[in-house]
Amino acid sequence: DIQMTQSPPSLSASLGDKVTITCQASQNINKYIAWYQQKPGKAPRLLIRYTSTLESGTPSRFSGSGSGRDYSFSISNVESEDIASYYCLQYVNLPWTFGGGTKLELK
Amino acid sequence: EVQLQESGPGLVKPSQSLSLTCSVTGYSITSNYWGWIRKFPGNKMEWMGYISYSGSTSYNPSLKSRISITRDTSKNQFFLQLNSVTTEDTATYYCARAMMVLMDAWGQGASVTVSS
Repeated sequence: DIQMTQSPPSLSASLGDKVTITCQASQNINKYIAWYQQKPGKAPRLLIRYTSTLESGTPSRFSGSGSGRDYSFSISNVESEDIASYYCLQYVNLPWTFGGGTKLELK
Repeated sequence: EVQLQESGPGLVKPSQSLSLTCSVTGYSITSNYWGWIRKFPGNKMEWMGYISYSGSTSYNPSLKSRISITRDTSKNQFFLQLNSVTTEDTATYYCARAMMVLMDAWGQGASVTVSS
């Protein structure tokens, strides 16, 4: 199985900040990484696929980058509605595997 | 717009089977792939498996001997059965659609506790 190491586990930000989350895969995943947002009691929401492709409805303040084993996800100008947990997912090989998650909180 | 809704018992006894239903509206399960994912206390997430548009299945090897995913196309539902559960199977269980390989629509989740 491909292991996804996500960091940091938690993040504290002020409104308007830029925050960055990273995921490192245990092997090359050829950009097959997605990022999800989850708010308490809600279904996960797909934000970004294939490293950097924003889903319809994903605000442009969200972005993704990376290649090989190393990937990052950023939110510029954090807004209150962005307070949630975020997960990366590799989908190059079965079993699909998730990072451990990052909980974004307001400072 | 596709919508998914999980249902089933919230409490299961150790050694018994966990059974959940995912009811899908707005999209036919005879297209694409339909999967189950769970989120453990502590927030780790695990992909469990999927059933395809044709009825073929793929399972996480960590669960292969205990899991079964089936469907009823007439009701547009698919099902999860997990056998011989232990307290370590306590989790929130999600069903999801996998379109172009990637899970793009999820249900709200069903909390299942394994306890005697």
